Amino acid sequence: GDSVTQMEGPVTLSEEAFLTINCTYTATGYPSLFWYVQYPGEGLQLLLKATKADDKGSNKGFEATYRKETTSFHLEKGSVQVSDSAVYFCALSDRGSGGSNYKLTFGKGTLLTVNP
Amino acid sequence: DSGVTQTPKHLITATGQRVTLRCSPRSGDLSVYWYQQSLDQGLQFLIQYYNGEERAKGNILERFSAQQFPDLHSELNLSSLELGDSALYFCASSESTGATYEQYFGPGTRLTVT
Repeated sequence: GDSVTQMEGPVTLSEEAFLTINCTYTATGYPSLFWYVQYPGEGLQLLLKATKADDKGSNKGFEATYRKETTSFHLEKGSVQVSDSAVYFCALSDRGSGGSNYKLTFGKGTLLTVNP
Repeated sequence: DSGVTQTPKHLITATGQRVTLRCSPRSGDLSVYWYQQSLDQGLQFLIQYYNGEERAKGNILERFSAQQFPDLHSELNLSSLELGDSALYFCASSESTGATYEQYFGPGTRLTVT
């Protein structure tokens, strides 16, 4: 079945540092890939997405490129801020074995803490 | 604000009881998904409805059931509650059904079973 593996962290960085959170996936079909962010006490917010190979999703300074050859979708940001402190989830949506289940399959999440 | 609303925000109940969680999708969205978030299992898909009909099932217990009403709001019913059912329950909605459609999440209902 489908699965997502991401570095679990926690990751602690200083403000303005470079961020990479690794994410790799396995899927039976041709999935769409997503990054979601969860701030303390809140729901999940869609951060960015990519729906085909070599697509780059970007939002709020975050970027991730859909790499089919390495089945990866690593999240990067050039300069993190204290306000970026949150849990980041990599996820995929695929047809599923039945051909119609487009549920999101999530990684375990990576806790990012950015210190001033 | 994603536009997805969930009520109640918090729910505390005893083992053996039954509760109903409510979700209103974003305006115009036809598809509703339910997910459970717990420390040990992470985020798990429970069930999906599309335009009033059940579309897909995941790791949903037989004690749990859901429905989507003509106005497209959805309810998740949890019965014979056990301590292990304590978790955050999220509803998400999307415009349609398909891998490319973004799912927008509500703020969640935190269920505590004592």
